Amino acid sequence: DGGITQSPKYLFRKEGQNVTLSCEQNLNHDAMYWYRQDPGQGLRLIYYSQIVNDFQKGDIAEGYSVSREKKESFPLTVTSAQKNPTAFYLCASSAGRTSAPEAFFGQGTRLTVV
Amino acid sequence: AQSVAQPEDQVNVAEGNPLTVKCTYSVSGNPYLFWYVQYPNRGLQFLLKYITGDNLVKGSYGFEAEFNKSQTSFHLKKPSALVSDSALYFCAVREGNFNKFYFGSGTKLNVKP
Repeated sequence: DGGITQSPKYLFRKEGQNVTLSCEQNLNHDAMYWYRQDPGQGLRLIYYSQIVNDFQKGDIAEGYSVSREKKESFPLTVTSAQKNPTAFYLCASSAGRTSAPEAFFGQGTRLTVV
Repeated sequence: AQSVAQPEDQVNVAEGNPLTVKCTYSVSGNPYLFWYVQYPNRGLQFLLKYITGDNLVKGSYGFEAEFNKSQTSFHLKKPSALVSDSALYFCAVREGNFNKFYFGSGTKLNVKP
């Protein structure tokens, strides 16, 4: 099946720890994205990557880091500098073609600070 | 600046009645417009898109949306609502040559039996 896989589904972090959220896609998409969703709020863009070995900050990049070493993978690290990391994190990808401009989403990772 | 507005936090409709979820957008170039649905603790599912052509686009699960360039709107519609349509709906816009998406704040649709 083609799609986007996020893991783990649930993640618990202690104060001061870094954690990494995985996102893998087998859709051969060039562009990948990370969004944060808080209760009752919309999606806020953390980072996005339009091509391998390149990525740009989104609207709320502070306290997060990413890498894009392979086309199919775009892991997100939530660092200890992110003071309020409890949220639902969504990864997405898109082909970027004018004939298929839509983004496809993974099932999300719920991160909780304990 | 690009933006999307969903003016209603919540829409309530009785099963079998038509539903409309509103969306307006602002982009400087030609827009690509999308609707997504989200069920609790799940990712967003793609419903439909407008690229160009007919102003009325049809999508999954009987949903459709009407693109209105003069009103910069892209309202989601369904002729007859189902209880299973109850979910969170997001409108999104992508400016033609760029890969960045902008999402609305979401509208919670409640369909009552």
